[in-house]
Amino acid sequence: QQPVQSPQAVILREGEDAVINCSSSKALYSVHWYRQKHGEAPVFLMILLKGGEQKGHDKISASFNEKKQQSSLYLTASQLSYSGTYFCGTEGGTSGSRLTFGEGTQLTVNP
Amino acid sequence: GAVVSQHPSWVICKSGTSVKIECRSLDFQATTMFWYRQFPKQSLMLMATSNEGSKATYEQGVEKDKFLINHASLTLSTLTVTSAHPEDSSFYICSATGLAGGPGTGELFFGEGSRLTVL
Repeated sequence: QQPVQSPQAVILREGEDAVINCSSSKALYSVHWYRQKHGEAPVFLMILLKGGEQKGHDKISASFNEKKQQSSLYLTASQLSYSGTYFCGTEGGTSGSRLTFGEGTQLTVNP
Repeated sequence: GAVVSQHPSWVICKSGTSVKIECRSLDFQATTMFWYRQFPKQSLMLMATSNEGSKATYEQGVEKDKFLINHASLTLSTLTVTSAHPEDSSFYICSATGLAGGPGTGELFFGEGSRLTVL
């Protein structure tokens, strides 16, 4: 079952923060986050494993609440380069890296 | 990071012809490769999972006779769209992982994608 992402789209000014949510109706083993720019391949951001972990690098971080079957991606002090479509990919634990991707959240950062 | 290369990056073909798309892992051995299709402004829909040396596992609703997948080596998987029709026009993307088995074992490395247009 495809995870649900929200919001579908968000427009920011450079320096503003954003949160993108990903929720699933099924139990999750891990959540992956990717960013895709128009016409390009998705680029890996991070993986979160069950256990309620949080991760982050630079000004992008994420959390995973396995009980709620939800993950959130936090973008702090957004930069122009953050623009793109963000996808969460969920893994139910039956086989490695077989992900089901959400519909995506289109993020636009304006100057 | 690891590099996955797809070829061709775009292809235009006539209806009824077959098209082959290659996906290569350039600097690691890909035990598992995945094939997706993506329509404009939509998500990546998994078509099949390909393990080296074995038959691909297709997702529900994907015709295995139409989308032939071969994973003959640890660095190459191919997707052949047979008897292509205009509705097969899409962006096809492969991804690869170098770690076998268990869930949460690692990130996916995506190819650049191949845009297929069937006239």
